Amino acid sequence: AQTVTQSQPEMSVQEAETVTLSCTYDTSESNYYLFWYKQPPSRQMILVIRQEAYKQQNATENRFSVNFQKAAKSFSLKISDSQLGDTAMYFCAFMKGSGAGSYQLTFGKGTKLSVIP
Amino acid sequence: DAGITQSPRHKVTETGTPVTLRCHQTENHRYMYWYRQDPGHGLRLIHYSYGVKDTDKGEVSDGYSVSRSKTEDFLLTLESATSSQTSVYFCAIRNANTRLSSYEQYFGPGTRLTVT
Repeated sequence: AQTVTQSQPEMSVQEAETVTLSCTYDTSESNYYLFWYKQPPSRQMILVIRQEAYKQQNATENRFSVNFQKAAKSFSLKISDSQLGDTAMYFCAFMKGSGAGSYQLTFGKGTKLSVIP
Repeated sequence: DAGITQSPRHKVTETGTPVTLRCHQTENHRYMYWYRQDPGHGLRLIHYSYGVKDTDKGEVSDGYSVSRSKTEDFLLTLESATSSQTSVYFCAIRNANTRLSSYEQYFGPGTRLTVT
């Protein structure tokens, strides 16, 4: 079974600064995907960014980027130029790409990020 | 917006009563999922469906059943609700209709269920 660990239950960052959220995972799979989801106070789960394990290049989506270290099984999220609207819970998630249990998400416990004006 | 709605959005029920939550999607997605979210646990998979009348169990399926008689609807039933099933329930779809991102899951707005 896969496990996803987010070691920072809460973090804060000043508006316009940069913050990095940590995520590590444990798997013996070679074909998998990794995701970051954002959950603002509205409770909606929003897909922020995704990374295919077979790609060496780190994914980026506007102000959001990841540092994917496959050998270390690490998948951190960097938010640049933090905005008040980034205040939310952030969940790291793992998905097998093949075999039994594929395409099912396994989530970490989340990191609560507060952006301070 | 993946065209996913959940009903009801909030429900309070008593221990021992049956409860059915509905997930409805408008874009003909084949794969649908039910998750529950509890403090300190993130989201955990309850059941999923890979087509009409095709369903399977997830990590925390005990006490839950599902049905999918139409592509657009995926129902989650608590046969006899217990206080441990107080949670926020999310439905999700997997967008297998496009080749480029067929592995991504998109979520509905959630249902907050309280069992007293």
